[in-house]
Amino acid sequence: SQTIHQWPATLVQPVGSPLSLECTVEGTSNPNLYWYRQAAGRGLQLLFYSVGIGQISSEVPQNLSASRPQDRQFILSSKKLLLSDSGFYLCAWSVDSRADPEAFFGQGTRLTVV
Amino acid sequence: AQKVTQAQTEISVVEKEDVTLDCVYETRDTTYYLFWYKQPPSGELVFLIRRNSFDEQNEISGRYSWNFQKSTSSFNFTITASQVVDSAVYFCALSEEADSWGKLQFGAGTQVVVTP
Repeated sequence: SQTIHQWPATLVQPVGSPLSLECTVEGTSNPNLYWYRQAAGRGLQLLFYSVGIGQISSEVPQNLSASRPQDRQFILSSKKLLLSDSGFYLCAWSVDSRADPEAFFGQGTRLTVV
Repeated sequence: AQKVTQAQTEISVVEKEDVTLDCVYETRDTTYYLFWYKQPPSGELVFLIRRNSFDEQNEISGRYSWNFQKSTSSFNFTITASQVVDSAVYFCALSEEADSWGKLQFGAGTQVVVTP
């Protein structure tokens, strides 16, 4: 069965420090991968998605970047964190299939920038 | 523009009452999917149900049921005989064929509080 791992679970970082959040998927090949952010107030916003190695699409301009160095690995990064980067970050995967369009989510990383 | 609207911010019920969550969506695609996800206090989003735009048949799965009406662009979700474990934030989401399947546009969520 497919599983998705995301770490760390919580992170407190000072303003201006770098960030690296990692997500890996097991049990499937060539998944679509996604990074979402959930700010206070619950709304979920898609930040990046990837349909293959090295292929990254950014949905909103921001202080963050994403990379996909391997088929089942998706990394969210920042060179210098801002206070506004605080939030709950969720990684997700799906198959690009009309038959199975649902996305499955990791357990999330709660990031607090201080 | 917001494509998925969940007008209810919070619903509080007593255990065993039914809970209906409203969802209204907007799309120009003729092929799309609608979903409901549950987010318990732990934070992980859990996939519950999906419905495609060509299937308006309403279904029941255990204590969950949903009512999909294209004429009113609504996809409502009902929890029957609620339990304390149903307390969570529930999200309605839309995925459109013109976009990548799996790219979800979420509503703002509805907090459900079930008290004993």
